[in-house]
Amino acid sequence: KQEVTQIPAALSVPEGENLVLNCSFTDSAIYNLQWFRQDPGKGLTSLLLIQSSQREQTSGRLNASLDKSSGRSTLYIAASQPGDSATYLCAVLNQGGKLIFGQGTELSVKP
Amino acid sequence: GAVVSQHPSWVICKSGTSVKIECRSLDFQATTMFWYRQFPKQSLMLMATSNEGSKATYEQGVEKDKFLINHASLTLSTLTVTSAHPEDSSFYICSALQGSHEQFFGPGTRLTVL
Repeated sequence: KQEVTQIPAALSVPEGENLVLNCSFTDSAIYNLQWFRQDPGKGLTSLLLIQSSQREQTSGRLNASLDKSSGRSTLYIAASQPGDSATYLCAVLNQGGKLIFGQGTELSVKP
Repeated sequence: GAVVSQHPSWVICKSGTSVKIECRSLDFQATTMFWYRQFPKQSLMLMATSNEGSKATYEQGVEKDKFLINHASLTLSTLTVTSAHPEDSSFYICSALQGSHEQFFGPGTRLTVL
């Protein structure tokens, strides 16, 4: 059974700092891995999607990497801003076509 | 990008009543939609997979008679919480599958059962 774990559960950093969020998964047989952002009481915003054959994806200040063999992904956020404060969710699409989510990392960027 | 809407965005109801939540793919057709549930400070848990024109597939532990899913068209799936109770209070999120492997999520529906 696929399990997705995110570390840390919560993170507080000063504005301008670069930071890394971690995601690990137990079964490497995945189609893709996706990072989402969720603001309180809101739905999900897709940030980056990495296909199983890819190593990384970049969008603006965000960079996500994927090491499928070791079951790990990282989301790198450069020059963090208060507007980046949100919960970040990692999810893997397994071979059965289901998205399995991690518990999320709650990020707070202090001005 | 693909857009998915949900209606209502929030609903408050009395215990014992039924509540219907709609999920629509606005600019694409989706033969498959998914329903998730999220408790406070927790992650999304898949409840069921909704397939157009056929019965939904429910995850283990999800009561199919309590959470009725209808996927009558390629752009609309509905989730009806029957005889709702306070423990059904949660955030319900749907997603629609575009292509073979990418899901697009709705904004969610906050259900509060008094």
